[in-house]
Amino acid sequence: QAGLTQPPSVSKGLRQTATLTCTGNSSNVGDQGTAWLKHHQGHPPKLLSYRHNNRPSGISERFSASTSGNTASLTITGLQSEDEADYYCSAWDSSLHAWLFGGGTKLTVL
Amino acid sequence: QVQLVQSGAEVREPGASVKVSCKASGYTFNDYLIHWVRQAPGQGLEWMGWVTPKDAGTRYAQKFQGRVTMTWDTSITTAYMDLSGLTSDDTALYYCTRDAGSFDFWGQGTLVTVSS
Repeated sequence: QAGLTQPPSVSKGLRQTATLTCTGNSSNVGDQGTAWLKHHQGHPPKLLSYRHNNRPSGISERFSASTSGNTASLTITGLQSEDEADYYCSAWDSSLHAWLFGGGTKLTVL
Repeated sequence: QVQLVQSGAEVREPGASVKVSCKASGYTFNDYLIHWVRQAPGQGLEWMGWVTPKDAGTRYAQKFQGRVTMTWDTSITTAYMDLSGLTSDDTALYYCTRDAGSFDFWGQGTLVTVSS
């Protein structure tokens, strides 16, 4: 089934670095670039990065995105308690002509 | 500042339809796509489709084709998402979001509950 694959959960300690991954294929992640969103339950998602590591205004430099082949990564440095949330990747699929979301990764900051 | 304000929560019976609105302000409405994304309880985000007021275009996810209609009213800078043939699987939080390169601003979400 077409889609983007994210690990369900990642746990890291306070002030450590977390790297979240998102695997797709050459029609989506490998072609169009990936967006990353942070989602706290009960609040709308928040855009952290889009296309090729473009950060919207106001997003901390602690968040950086990259892509290697068909896998996108979001690296969060200096983890803080408020970074604990669900993180989603998203990409346009040029074959399906549709936006895809990953299943989300729950980040726990210990 | 950019704001997307959605209509309130809705309860519908199975088989019914629901129409959710998304009032945009703080930017030129016609310049950007509006996407609709939903999240069912305990599930991830799911893209439903987009509407582009500038050239009257729409694109729907295959899963929703035939059941969803996305429209807009430029005069009141409001986008709408109409979903018909509701089942319990459509119980979800529905979001509108602006596309200025990606999903940069989001509405607060509208809870749609489908229950008999």
